Amino acid sequence: GAVVSQHPSRVICKSGTSVKIECRSLDFQATTMFWYRQFPKKSLMLMATSNEGSKATYEQGVEKDKFLINHASLTLSTLTVTSAHPEDSSFYICSARAGLAGATPNEQFFGPGTRLTVL
Amino acid sequence: GENVEQHPSTLSVQEGDSAVIKCTYSDSASNYFPWYKQELGKRPQLIIDIRSNVGEKKDQRIAVTLNKTAKHFSLHITETQPEDSAVYFCAAGQYTGANSKLTFGKGITLSVRP
Repeated sequence: GAVVSQHPSRVICKSGTSVKIECRSLDFQATTMFWYRQFPKKSLMLMATSNEGSKATYEQGVEKDKFLINHASLTLSTLTVTSAHPEDSSFYICSARAGLAGATPNEQFFGPGTRLTVL
Repeated sequence: GENVEQHPSTLSVQEGDSAVIKCTYSDSASNYFPWYKQELGKRPQLIIDIRSNVGEKKDQRIAVTLNKTAKHFSLHITETQPEDSAVYFCAAGQYTGANSKLTFGKGITLSVRP
């Protein structure tokens, strides 16, 4: 149980275009999902917290108009990188949190990540 | 906000030896400290966690200790094996709460030499 998927796994796009990344909890309902950005050999930098049915909470320094987050259902959150530029190239990972039986309330289950390359 | 420091950044041990990874945190309100393992090209996986109401937790070859007074916690891996080679992240946050989030350390690359 507690499987999180992401789609796509890799995406290459041209500068100025928008890219949507999906994060799905496959076998549980995720009240909260988190979006992280990971640079090579670096840590997980939290970008925003996504709560189902409400606006996302962005971390300081993250542009909410550039990184649009939608959490329309308990199993799906999307991150849209708008007007992408080469500096947005990175590895984006989502995680989902739920109150599964036997799981700690704040245990986060990670997706496999999406490698974004902006040309 | 919370700040998590992790030391060292890299660690190399001989197979069979023990490895210890240390982290410090800044926010005394944090009461949940998970450890994640990320193998190359894979997603982070939770390997063990500890809440602030206990000082130590063990699961087979892995143990975590917490010193609330000093605000530091450590991961101990005994009898290391090559498959333990990975990046390990510590994190700190709240155990419960609608908007609770985790702050991660920078990660440590553990290499276990056969």
